[in-house]
Amino acid sequence: QSALTQPRSVSGSPGQSVTISCTGTSSDVGGYNYVSWYQQHPGKAPKLMIYDVTRRPSGVPDRFSGSKSGNTASLTISGLQAEDEADYYCSSYTSSVTLVFGGGTKLTVL
Amino acid sequence: QVQLQESGPGLVAPSETLSLTCTVSGYSISSGYYWGWIRQPPGKGLEWVGTIFHDGSTYYNPSLKSRVTMSVDTSRNQFSLKLSSVTAADTAVYYCARGPPRYCSFWGQGTLVTVSS
Repeated sequence: QSALTQPRSVSGSPGQSVTISCTGTSSDVGGYNYVSWYQQHPGKAPKLMIYDVTRRPSGVPDRFSGSKSGNTASLTISGLQAEDEADYYCSSYTSSVTLVFGGGTKLTVL
Repeated sequence: QVQLQESGPGLVAPSETLSLTCTVSGYSISSGYYWGWIRQPPGKGLEWVGTIFHDGSTYYNPSLKSRVTMSVDTSRNQFSLKLSSVTAADTAVYYCARGPPRYCSFWGQGTLVTVSS
């Protein structure tokens, strides 16, 4: 299974919005509404931010939102804050009953 | 609150078998959900290793399938990972988590396993 495609890095200033894309195929992202997003700070375990494309777990700020169009999913962070600086990973359930991750995107808050 | 804790040797010799256990607290594995392992080589991205259900059914990453075995012990509320014939490429932080392959809602803190002689 091939990893999902994410940009290596994105950046934005405090208060701005940024969007991270995650491109797969019809066998994963495009075929199921089971895309999730994780935030990982250095030396820490990943934290679930979005699941089932658009749902936010309890405690995750509504500044974080997810969407999907065709084979590409997106994570949008609005009102960017310094603590949002981290690595972000997307993942998707696949037709082979497996889980595939994206390569990760480093978000820099300028 | 669901908590997961990985345990096992931090150093494994090449060609040997890596063995890790995940102990779950705050939730009974036998009540449901899938449970899995994800690894992350130093400085690299996440890779799903495999998933097990409380009834013992398993799903493995095709690239690792020939070397991976997962098991569950509901009496101890634990599940385990064995990865055979390890090489330096298997050096990684190994996380256990609840939920894959749909999504991982709770994660352990991770444990670094180094393959070296």
